[in-house]
Order: sequence, then structure tokens, then C-alpha cells
Amino acid sequence: DTGVSQDPRHKITKRGQNVTFRCDPISEHNRLYWYRQTLGQGPEFLTYFQNEAQLEKSRLLSDRFSAERPKGSFSTLEIQRTEQGDSAMYLCASSLPRRRAEAFFGQGTRLTVV
Amino acid sequence: GQQLNQSPQSMFIQEGEDVSMNCTSSSIFNTWLWYKQDPGEGPVLLIALYKAGELTSNGRLTAQFGITRKDSFLNISASIPSDVGIYFCAGHPPNSGYALNFGKGTSLLVTP
Repeated sequence: DTGVSQDPRHKITKRGQNVTFRCDPISEHNRLYWYRQTLGQGPEFLTYFQNEAQLEKSRLLSDRFSAERPKGSFSTLEIQRTEQGDSAMYLCASSLPRRRAEAFFGQGTRLTVV
Repeated sequence: GQQLNQSPQSMFIQEGEDVSMNCTSSSIFNTWLWYKQDPGEGPVLLIALYKAGELTSNGRLTAQFGITRKDSFLNISASIPSDVGIYFCAGHPPNSGYALNFGKGTSLLVTP
């Protein structure tokens, strides 16, 4: 399968715990994005990487959130001290350099904070 | 980001019917994209539009980039049960950086 891969698909955690999600983009895509989606809403942009450089961050990305893409390939999104409001679907997407608009999404990680 | 307004919010149609949905914005967009999302899955890209007035088809789907650059529509012809899902429009406003703005979606239900 050559699509965007996300792991885990589902995560249930207790409030206050830290969680980390992983995204493996399509291999030739150097652009990688994280989005968050809550029920009844469209995806909302969190952050963007071009290769290993994090070039853009949304105001939604609070200090408890950190994203990395250390070697310009896979990326991780960590949420520290999770809160119930963090419960959402976290989506990763990737795109080619000259086709930035055409972002291809993974299946997402569904986070539930209890 | 700029608000994208999708209408209708939901549609309930019979198999074989044609479907039309649209997306509007108060400001211009440089690109328009249409995605379909099934429950528990990520959005799947259907069509990407890059020029004002552009009309693009993908099988039974047709989408157009409005002349004013403030709207787009998606048509589905001869709907089938597997067309069920939520359809999102998305776009890049000028000077927006790399973020895609998404609408809230149109939920489509198709009865056999």
C-alpha cells in the first residue's frame, strides 16, 4: 500500500497522560500536514512540514502539542497532559512539491480522552 | 482561516438521481478541492481545480471552479449506494501559506 499510513488507528487515554501518533507519508511526498477533525466539522489545519522543517503552525497547536519530522520522512505528533477537549480525529496528509493543493490523507488516529 | 459555506448540509436521495452541492466563500480562493469521507476514515481527494471557470470530471463526478473564484460546485450523476458519505470542499486562499480551509461538509444518503 503506497498511501499515507497512520498509527495507531485508535487511542484511548486517561486525562493527563501523554500520547504520540505516527504518520508515514507517501514516499515521494516531501510536504506533510497534520489536521484535527471533531464531530460534524471539516478538518482543521494544525501544522506543516517541508522535508524536516516545520514551516507553519496553527494557533490551534497549543504548547502541549509538538510535532516533529526528524529525517524528512515519517512524522510524530505528541500531545502532553491530554485534556478531554483533545478528543478528535487526528489526520495526516502529504503532497508533492509542485502539487501542494492536492493533499492526500491517511486514515487518521481517533483519540478519546477519558 | 476564511469560512467556507457548504450547502446543503445534508441530502437524502434515491439511487439513480443526480446530486448537486456547492461551496461558497466571502473571499477568493486560488484552488478548490473536493473530498469524500466515509465514517471513521480519512478524506479521499476526488477533484482538484486550479483555474477560475475550470470544469473537471472524474467518472460520474463533475466539479467547477466559479468565475468569481468565490465558489465551486460538485455534481454527482446517477448516484449509487456507495456514494454515501460526507463531501467536503476545501481551498487555498491567497497568502494562506500551506493550510487548506475546509467547509463543514454535505452529508449524502442514497437509498436503493
